[in-house]
Amino acid sequence: QVQLVQSGAEAKVPGASVKFSCKASGYALTSYFMHWVRQGPGQGLEWMGAVYPAGETSYAQKFQGRVTMTRDTSTTTVYMELRSLTSEDTAVYFCAREGPGSGSSYAFDYWGQGALVTVSP
Amino acid sequence: QSALTQPASVSGSPGQSITISCTGTISYVRGYNRVSWYQQHPGKAPILLIYDLTKRPSGVSDRFSGSKSGNTASLTISGLQAADEADYYCISFTGSSTPYFFGGGTHLTVL
Repeated sequence: QVQLVQSGAEAKVPGASVKFSCKASGYALTSYFMHWVRQGPGQGLEWMGAVYPAGETSYAQKFQGRVTMTRDTSTTTVYMELRSLTSEDTAVYFCAREGPGSGSSYAFDYWGQGALVTVSP
Repeated sequence: QSALTQPASVSGSPGQSITISCTGTISYVRGYNRVSWYQQHPGKAPILLIYDLTKRPSGVSDRFSGSKSGNTASLTISGLQAADEADYYCISFTGSSTPYFFGGGTHLTVL
């Protein structure tokens, strides 16, 4: 069965970086888009970017220059690094597979459990 | 400010039906059928309920249905149950440099 298992919560100071992992299993990582979505405290969801099946990336304009998404096909793990953190980045970060079909499906059918980053001095 | 507008809250009694709207401020919804709906309980990851406006993934109850009129997509939940009390989000593919926009979310209260 498809599973996305994320790394744990992090506490960071302003200006630091955070790097989350998302271990995928139960399907072919290189056949699907993997997205990252975040949710601030008591707030809605926000799309951050994606890793394409062929390995390219696309980032929301808001995060351009501050985010890097990568993947390791040997360990079927996708990573998201966010730099120059501020308190506004305090949020739960989710990885989400685009599905239900492979390629472009325009929906997110499986989600990781989420990982909280808390940014404070 | 979200490009997709949802009501902040809706409510209904067990057994009733409710509809949650998702209106695109630009032609995101009108021009595409790539709208999906998600249910999120507190502290949990979202769950996909509807994709491509009207399609249900395997395993999702047929009490959940999607539709569209003009630039407004809608999620209808019939036969409300206590377990349906949650937040609901719409997402639209935009085809732009930021390809996905989320609605602000709607909290459903089952009275």
